[in-house]
Amino acid sequence: QVQLVQSGSELKKPGASVKVSCKASGYTFTSYAMNWVRQAPGQGLEWMGWINTNTGNPTYAQGFTGRFVFSLDTSVSTAYLQISSLKAEDTAVYYCARDGHGGSPLPDYWGQGTLVTVSS
Amino acid sequence: QSALTQPASVSGSPGQSITISCTGTSSDVGGYNYVSWYQQHPGKAPKLMIYEVSNRPSGVPDRFSGSKSGNTASLTISGLQAEDEADYYCSSYTSSSTVVFGGGTKLTVL
Repeated sequence: QVQLVQSGSELKKPGASVKVSCKASGYTFTSYAMNWVRQAPGQGLEWMGWINTNTGNPTYAQGFTGRFVFSLDTSVSTAYLQISSLKAEDTAVYYCARDGHGGSPLPDYWGQGTLVTVSS
Repeated sequence: QSALTQPASVSGSPGQSITISCTGTSSDVGGYNYVSWYQQHPGKAPKLMIYEVSNRPSGVPDRFSGSKSGNTASLTISGLQAEDEADYYCSSYTSSSTVVFGGGTKLTVL
């Protein structure tokens, strides 16, 4: 069965960096793009962008350029989200979510989420 | 890209039906049949309930149905059950080759 397992919660100080991992199993990793979605405390879902798991080419949504980097290690079927120069407003749960079956550009399977807390 | 518009909250009694709307533009909801709905319980990851406007993934009860008219998509839940109480989000593909979510709707089962 399809599973996306994310790394555990992180507590970081402002200005630090964090790298969240998302390990996929149960399907061919390079056959589906991977999305990243942010959910701030008490807020809705916000699409951050996606990465082509064949080419490694990332696409970032408005507001997620510069400090946010999507990357892959296809040898271990894992996608990564790195955030640098962390700010308090980056505090959120970050989800990886696979593109849908049959070429659908909308997510179907989701990871369990990784809480990133930025606090001094 | 602005978020899709959903009502902040809806409610219904067990056994009743409710409908959640999701309004966008011709550049997203109205322009594509890529509209999905997600259910999210507190502290949990979103779960896909409807994809491509009206299709249910395996395992989703047929009490959940989706439709679209013009720039507005809708999720209908019939025969409400207590476990349906959750937040619901719509999403759509856009003409900018991006994905946009709705603001979310809190469903309360009275």
